[in-house]
Amino acid sequence: GENVEQHPSTLSVQEGDSAVIKCTYSDSASNYFPWYKQELGKRPQLIIDIRSNVGEKKDQRIAVTLNKTAKHFSLHITETQPEDSAVYFCASRKAGTALIFGKGTTLSVSS
Amino acid sequence: GAGVSQSPSNKVTEKGKDVELRCDPISGHTALYWYRQRLGQGLEFLIYFQGNSAPDKSGLPSDRFSAERTGESVSTLTIQRTQQEDSAVYLCASSLVGQGAQGYGYTFGSGTRLTVV
Repeated sequence: GENVEQHPSTLSVQEGDSAVIKCTYSDSASNYFPWYKQELGKRPQLIIDIRSNVGEKKDQRIAVTLNKTAKHFSLHITETQPEDSAVYFCASRKAGTALIFGKGTTLSVSS
Repeated sequence: GAGVSQSPSNKVTEKGKDVELRCDPISGHTALYWYRQRLGQGLEFLIYFQGNSAPDKSGLPSDRFSAERTGESVSTLTIQRTQQEDSAVYLCASSLVGQGAQGYGYTFGSGTRLTVV
């Protein structure tokens, strides 16, 4: 089955810096790659997603890139703010299956 | 409803007892998923329902775990003979499923925090 590896497990940045989280997946048939943000004690919430027919997608300060050949995708957060502090999960799926999640990255943004 | 509802929000049970967790998905979402999240850990896939298709049970960790869904509405996750390692937050999510099996984002419920003592 699908396996998703996520790095780093923890990331500390200064406010205003950029943060990059990387994920790799194993199943070349995977076609959908969302990112979720989970604040402490709350439910995961979708922040951005990308489909396999697109290489990059941007939404204000966040962007996701996908390299299908290498089977990896990345989340980029620019101009980080303290409220970006949370756990971020990447995930992937192929048709007819559920999302498989990475183990998460704890992002800490200090002011 | 407006969101995914889960009940109870918290459940404390004695080891060996059975528990039932309930999930009410967003109206119109044909896909429903259960995940387990242990403290400080990631989301572990348990089971996936899609319409009237046979569910994907490949993530259930043992035969003590089972789940049902009535049509395209409420689902219940049952854990029999609970053990301490079952302690976790059980998250339910629902989503649309597009043509050509294009993926759509999940909407998660607030979860049920299960504590087995």
